[in-house]
Amino acid sequence: QKEVEQNSGPLSVPEGAIASLNCTYSDRVSQSFFWYRQYSGKSPELIMSIYSNGDKEDGRFTAQLNKASQYVSLLIRDSQPSDSATYLCAVSNTGGFKTIFGAGTRLFVKA
Amino acid sequence: SAVISQKPSRDICQRGTSLTIQCQVDSQVTMMFWYRQQPGQSLTLIATANQGSEATYESGFVIDKFPISRPNLTFSTLTVSNMSPEDSSIYLCSVVPSGGPSTDTQYFGPGTRLTVL
Repeated sequence: QKEVEQNSGPLSVPEGAIASLNCTYSDRVSQSFFWYRQYSGKSPELIMSIYSNGDKEDGRFTAQLNKASQYVSLLIRDSQPSDSATYLCAVSNTGGFKTIFGAGTRLFVKA
Repeated sequence: SAVISQKPSRDICQRGTSLTIQCQVDSQVTMMFWYRQQPGQSLTLIATANQGSEATYESGFVIDKFPISRPNLTFSTLTVSNMSPEDSSIYLCSVVPSGGPSTDTQYFGPGTRLTVL
């Protein structure tokens, strides 16, 4: 059973701090990695995708991928209360025919 | 990204009845998926909706319970048949747009919140 593991949280950080969300996956042939944000009662919204080892930055968000360690993370700098949500890690094999979602990490940013 | 709509947005149904959920996209997409998300849980893939052919179901999901249609590249329906309270969930359509930045980035519709009494 191919798996994607996330700490369910909740992760609580003060406003302005860096939030670090982590994800590990079991399928070594995974090619594509995604972070989705899901507000309560809403559908998942794509934040970042990453395909190569290293860091990828988009505004306050940085995704980090280490395929050797089968580890992907999301850093949120200058966290805001509006960042409070559940963050889903998703891992896909080539072509996207099978995408596995983690259970999500709940993030609370305290004002 | 594609604009995705789902109908209905929510419904309350009686045990034993069926509900058909529609997913409409404003542009052609290569792949369409149906997911279920139960309260406090992550996403569970029900099936891949294939254009012009039978859907591909994941383990634990069968066509008799969740018949799916995809008559063209922008529209799909999921029917939840002979419903029981255990079917109460959010049902989500997702798509991979044609000509997008990658072949596997999924975008989600707003979801249908189903309550079965």
